[in-house]
Amino acid sequence: QQQVKQSPQSLIVQKGGISIINCAYENTAFDYFPWYQQFPGKGPALLIAIRPDVSEKKEGRFTISFNKSAKQFSLHIMDSQPGDSATYFCAASPDGSSNTGKLIFGQGTTLQVKP
Amino acid sequence: GAVVSQHPSWVICKSGTSVKIECRSLDFQATTMFWYRQFPKQSLMLMATSNEGSKATYEQGVEKDKFLINHASLTLSTLTVTSAHPEDSSFYICSARRLSEAFFGQGTRLTVV
Repeated sequence: QQQVKQSPQSLIVQKGGISIINCAYENTAFDYFPWYQQFPGKGPALLIAIRPDVSEKKEGRFTISFNKSAKQFSLHIMDSQPGDSATYFCAASPDGSSNTGKLIFGQGTTLQVKP
Repeated sequence: GAVVSQHPSWVICKSGTSVKIECRSLDFQATTMFWYRQFPKQSLMLMATSNEGSKATYEQGVEKDKFLINHASLTLSTLTVTSAHPEDSSFYICSARRLSEAFFGQGTRLTVV
């Protein structure tokens, strides 16, 4: 119930292409869904986050699509660039409106964008 | 975004010694901080929730006596790995939430030799 399942494990995309990473969850109490980008040896950096009251959120080249009924959400990276090559984690929190809710992370996706 | 700072960024220690890692929220107060552990090419695993002024809450399977957490102020939480062994070598990351968004420190690479 506490798991967040992420796929694919790795992804190779050509420069300019669209990168799509998917996550699924079971716990209907989750109400905050962020995506993080992590470079080797660094901590995760927040990319974009969504709450269940909206189905899509876009920030620059990054878009989250959220399907509440299917309990799935995905990250789309438009016009992927070599600098986007990193590991991406989805996460979910059962207490998204507070500062005390813990995050449950997906398994991570290693993205490689080929020039 | 908010800034969470960890120190040190990396540390090498001898087996049997203790190591302290600091996590600070630089521009906001955090009554709750989180400590994660990450093995190479794996996800972040929550170790414990650090609560200012009270005992930390540990996740199942995490040894409380090995991983001591102290949250003595609204901007500082510390993780002490006691009697470290090579299997404790890992990447440790702290996090704090501000306005419900979670921000992470840069991580601490611990190597026990």
